[in-house]
Amino acid sequence: GIQVEQSPPDLILQEGANSTLRCNFSDSVNNLQWFHQNPWGQLINLFYIPSGTKQNGRLSATTVATERYSLLYISSSQTTDSGVYFCAVVRGDMRFGAGTRLTVKP
Amino acid sequence: DAGVTQSPTHLIKTRGQQVTLRCSPISGHKSVSWYQQVLGQGPQFIFQYYEKEERGRGNFPDRFSARQFPNYSSELNVNALLLGDSALYLCASSSKNRKLAGAKDEQFFGPGTRLTVL
Repeated sequence: GIQVEQSPPDLILQEGANSTLRCNFSDSVNNLQWFHQNPWGQLINLFYIPSGTKQNGRLSATTVATERYSLLYISSSQTTDSGVYFCAVVRGDMRFGAGTRLTVKP
Repeated sequence: DAGVTQSPTHLIKTRGQQVTLRCSPISGHKSVSWYQQVLGQGPQFIFQYYEKEERGRGNFPDRFSARQFPNYSSELNVNALLLGDSALYLCASSSKNRKLAGAKDEQFFGPGTRLTVL
């Protein structure tokens, strides 16, 4: 089956810093989504981005489908950005990466 | 509009028991998928149902089963519970059948049911 790798596994930032999270996948996909999982387990939709670039406030994402990777950019990070960020791809079924755990310190 | 809802929120069972988890999709969504998330890992796909038919199954034993009702809500059943079944069970809904070529859908997740097996 398709493999999804996220990096880095852990990231610690000071408030106000910028970060880039990466998602590599092993085969062509139909869809790709980025999620933020809060401490209570809720998966919050960030981007639906099978290709191209999207922006939403301080967050933006780029997927280069031909090179099989996606990037999530977080600018001017805030403590509320802390949590686990998941990339998930769809090729038949939805497959998740192992996530990037982000900690933003005040 | 209400999002995806799941019940119960938490559940404690003992080994060998059976459990039923419930999910109501977003209004208008006909596809429901179930995922298992064990601590420290990403969610793993269990089932997808679309228009009351099973459209996908992950690598889970036959102790796991599901069904979808005419109102598109869904139940996940797990028989003969094992300690390793302890996890967060997530339900997601979308408006599309992912098995269709070219289908473009976005998955929306419920808050999950946290199952503890003792």
